[in-house]
Amino acid sequence: KQEVTQIPAALSVPEGENLVLNCSFTDSAIYNLQWFRQDPGKGLTSLLLIQSSQREQTSGRLNASLDKSSGRSTLYIAASQPGDSATYLCAPAPSGGYNKLIFGAGTRLAVHP
Amino acid sequence: ETGVTQSPTHLIKTRGQQVTLRCSSQSGHNTVSWYQQALGQGPQFIFQYYREEENGRGNFPPRFSGLQFPNYSSELNVNALELDDSALYLCASKKGLNTEAFFGQGTRLTVV
Repeated sequence: KQEVTQIPAALSVPEGENLVLNCSFTDSAIYNLQWFRQDPGKGLTSLLLIQSSQREQTSGRLNASLDKSSGRSTLYIAASQPGDSATYLCAPAPSGGYNKLIFGAGTRLAVHP
Repeated sequence: ETGVTQSPTHLIKTRGQQVTLRCSSQSGHNTVSWYQQALGQGPQFIFQYYREEENGRGNFPPRFSGLQFPNYSSELNVNALELDDSALYLCASKKGLNTEAFFGQGTRLTVV
């Protein structure tokens, strides 16, 4: 059974810092892994999708890496801004099935001016 | 191109009642999944529909049921509501399997 852990659970940083959010998962048999952002009480916004054959993906100030064999993914946020404040969720999609997403509890990020 | 839209955004129901939540998938997407998110937790998979057929289900009782229509929109029905059903219900759509999932803004259900 796939289990997803995200560390740290919460993070508070001053504006401008570079950040690393960690995600670990127990079953390396995945199709892909997605990173999402969630603002309080809102839906999920897709940030990056990494296929199982890829090592990393980049979008603007965001870079996500995937090490499938060790069951780890990291989300790197460069030059953080107050608008980055949100909860960040990672979700691997187990292979051999219908591609549902398994979510961790998320990392709650606060970037203060 | 319109995104995933869910209705209603909020509703309050009494224990024992039934509720229907609706989701319009993103244009061109034929796969819809539903998730339940309790406060402070990550979303939990309820079930998924692919071309109008349920092709996957999470650990939820049969009183959680759904439908997908020919235009790929979807409904989530919950019977005999319980207090623990209070949560944010999220719908996601994809263009087939192994592709990027896009979520709606969610429906906040409160059971009293």
